[in-house]
Amino acid sequence: DVKVTQSSRYLVKRTGEKVFLECVQDMDHENMFWYRQDPGLGLRLIYFSYDVKMKEKGDIPEGYSVSREKKERFSLILESASTNQTSMYLCASSFTGNYGYTFGSGTRLTVV
Amino acid sequence: KQEVTQIPAALSVPEGENLVLNCSFTDSAIYNLQWFRQDPGKGLTSLLLIQSSQREQTSGRLNASLDKSSGRSTLYIAASQPGDSATYLCAVNPLIGTASKLTFGTGTRLQVTL
Repeated sequence: DVKVTQSSRYLVKRTGEKVFLECVQDMDHENMFWYRQDPGLGLRLIYFSYDVKMKEKGDIPEGYSVSREKKERFSLILESASTNQTSMYLCASSFTGNYGYTFGSGTRLTVV
Repeated sequence: KQEVTQIPAALSVPEGENLVLNCSFTDSAIYNLQWFRQDPGKGLTSLLLIQSSQREQTSGRLNASLDKSSGRSTLYIAASQPGDSATYLCAVNPLIGTASKLTFGTGTRLQVTL
């Protein structure tokens, strides 16, 4: 069964900590995405990558960075976590063109 | 800029009822439209993917239609069950741009009561 795996379901971090969220897909997809989801705001795109070492900013990149050193892995980095980054983070992957997305199960991050 | 709207925002129906969820989009230049289900605190599960050249797709009790020219899609759920309770999201995949960035609707929260 093809899948997108996010390394943690729940994470609690302290303000100012550096946080890594990991996402791995086994479908050889070229595209990978990081979203955050907040009540009333829907899904908002943080960053995406369309190839290894390639990345582009989404709608809300401030306070985040990403890394894609291998095709199957896409990491989201919070350089200095803040309480307003408490959210559900969702990773997804896809082929380019007329294909669908596959999502991971999400990481609920709480910054205290 | 593509905008995707879902109506209603929330819906409560008794078990066994047939129901329709609506999704509208402003730009018809799309590859496809995808319907997802999200349970509370979980990720998104893909339900149906309709290519722009298709009119509908079916999976079990679910049927999704697409009218690209009018910018509308519907998700029909037959004989609803309490296990169908979840939030349903539609998303469109644009023809133009890198990496097939989806635009999501705001979702319809469905509750099926006993």
